[in-house]
Amino acid sequence: GQSLEQPSEVTAVEGAIVQINCTYQTSGFYGLSWYQQHDGGAPTFLSYNALDGLEETGRFSSFLSRSDSYGYLLLQELQMKDSASYFCAAPNPNRDDKIIFGKGTRLHILP
Amino acid sequence: GAVVSQHPSWVICKSGTSVKIECRSLDFQATTMFWYRQFPKQSLMLMATSNEGSKATYEQGVEKDKFLINHASLTLSTLTVTSAHPEDSSFYICSASSPGLGSTDTQYFGPGTRLTVL
Repeated sequence: GQSLEQPSEVTAVEGAIVQINCTYQTSGFYGLSWYQQHDGGAPTFLSYNALDGLEETGRFSSFLSRSDSYGYLLLQELQMKDSASYFCAAPNPNRDDKIIFGKGTRLHILP
Repeated sequence: GAVVSQHPSWVICKSGTSVKIECRSLDFQATTMFWYRQFPKQSLMLMATSNEGSKATYEQGVEKDKFLINHASLTLSTLTVTSAHPEDSSFYICSASSPGLGSTDTQYFGPGTRLTVL
């Protein structure tokens, strides 16, 4: 089986940097994805790490450490529009195209 | 690229009626489509996996006779909630993946359909 753990809520200040962590337990692991979901909207894909290291895409970066079964999403120069839920996710070890989602981290941004 | 649409975006129906939700991949052929349900402030719950031309695979606890899924083409999958009841009120989201998009490890989501059953 596979499970992903992430904090339920994180609060940060506009303009600051915030890191959302995700730890996973799995019988097989192929990579870690991050999705953003605004209230009332659908998830949108942010990033996918198949290899260890940091992937940077604009203000967002994602990191993976396979040896530590750990990854994080880093958001810099926070803007109010970044207030959303963020889900880490991983392909199902059975390779049946399913994705297993964490329970999501709700990011609150204070002005 | 990789745009998925859903219709309708919201629907209100009376208890006992059936509701059909369409999911379309607009600019790619989706070999696999997924249907999720999401309750407020909770994570996405996978309901079923749909492959074109074959029967859907339902997750444990999901009633296949209540949630009918049809994947008639590589760009269209439908979910029909039959004899809907208030407890079926939820946000239903479809997603699609395709090897043609580089990896099936990424899913592209439709905008979701909010179903309210009175």
